[in-house]
Amino acid sequence: AQTVTQSQPEMSVQEAETVTLSCTYDTSENNYYLFWYKQPPSRQMILVIRQEAYKQQNATENRFSVNFQKAAKSFSLKISDSQLGDTAMYFCGMSGANSKLTFGKGITLSVRP
Amino acid sequence: GAVVSQHPSRVICKSGTSVKIECRSLDFQATTMFWYRQFPKQSLMLMATSNEGSKATYEQGVEKDKFLINHASLTLSTLTVTSAHPEDSSFYICSASGGYRGRNEQFFGPGTRLTVL
Repeated sequence: AQTVTQSQPEMSVQEAETVTLSCTYDTSENNYYLFWYKQPPSRQMILVIRQEAYKQQNATENRFSVNFQKAAKSFSLKISDSQLGDTAMYFCGMSGANSKLTFGKGITLSVRP
Repeated sequence: GAVVSQHPSRVICKSGTSVKIECRSLDFQATTMFWYRQFPKQSLMLMATSNEGSKATYEQGVEKDKFLINHASLTLSTLTVTSAHPEDSSFYICSASGGYRGRNEQFFGPGTRLTVL
């Protein structure tokens, strides 16, 4: 079985500043994928970034980057230059060989103007 | 990017009636579709996985006779909530993966808000 843990229920950040959202996971598989999804008030799930476990290099997508620590089973998301539109719920997730996504509980991020 | 639609976006029904929700992959063939349920301020809970042309696989605790899933084609899956009751009120989300867009990535529909009176 695989588990994903997001221990912070809420965070707040000032516009233009940087914030890091934490996530840890557990799995017995060697090949798996990690994701961060954003869910704004519209509730549409939007993929923010993905990381293949076999890749050592941390994934980046514009203002979004991850710190993937495979040995520690940690997968944090860093948002640089936070914007008001980043206000949303963020879910960390992982999938293995069966392609099923397991999500963490999510974190509500508020960007203050 | 890959587009997944859901219909209806919102439905209100009386207790005891059945409701069907459609999930369509618009620009790719989805070999696998997933159905989730989400309560306010909570995470997505996987209900079932469906592969085109075969029976759905339900997660533990999900009543397969209550939540009927059909994946008749590579672009369409349906979820039917049978004999709906107020406790079935929730936000239902589908996702799809497959084809060259695979890579273990799921593309999500916009969700359906079900309210059972």
